[in-house]
Amino acid sequence: GENVEQHPSTLSVQEGDSAVIKCTYSDSASNYFPWYKQELGKGPQLIIDIRSNVGEKKDQRIAVTLNKTAKHFSLHITETQPEDSAVYFCAAVNTGFQKLVFGTGTRLLVSP
Amino acid sequence: GAVVSQHPSRVICKSGTSVKIECRSLDFQATTMFWYRQFPKKSLMLMATSNEGSKATYEQGVEKDKFLINHASLTLSTLTVTSAHPEDSSFYICSAKQTGTYSEKLFFGSGTQLSVL
Repeated sequence: GENVEQHPSTLSVQEGDSAVIKCTYSDSASNYFPWYKQELGKGPQLIIDIRSNVGEKKDQRIAVTLNKTAKHFSLHITETQPEDSAVYFCAAVNTGFQKLVFGTGTRLLVSP
Repeated sequence: GAVVSQHPSRVICKSGTSVKIECRSLDFQATTMFWYRQFPKKSLMLMATSNEGSKATYEQGVEKDKFLINHASLTLSTLTVTSAHPEDSSFYICSAKQTGTYSEKLFFGSGTQLSVL
């Protein structure tokens, strides 16, 4: 089955800096890669996603890149703000099987 | 975006009692819903896949008689934790996949914190 590794587990940055979170997956059949932001005591919120036929996607301060050959994908947050502080999860899924497999999470702390 | 409502957000119960958690898709139909469990500072673990009108599919190691899932309509799935014990205390989260679209997007509920005394 699919296995998703995520690094780093914690990330502390100053406001305005960039933050990068990296994930690797094992199943070459995975074709959809969403990223979720989870605040304390709440459910995950989809912030950006990418499909396997695309190498990069950007939405304002957030971007995701995908390297299918190396089987890794990354989340990039620019101009970080304190409200970006949360736990971020990457995930991978083979849409034929529907089961989303989550990474282990990254706790991002943005200091003012 | 699509909204998934989950209730209750927090429940405290005595050991041996049963607790029901509801997951509703408010503005879309969901043939398939998923139930996850999350321990503090850990990732989400898929417990089961809930399919409207049929039996749920449970992940390995999840007791189906312990965690009863009912998906009686296209907008509602329920998870009942039967004869709850302290080790069942956890954060439970549901998600739903929109029916009739080719979208892979999953929409998550806000979670239920279960504390068993």
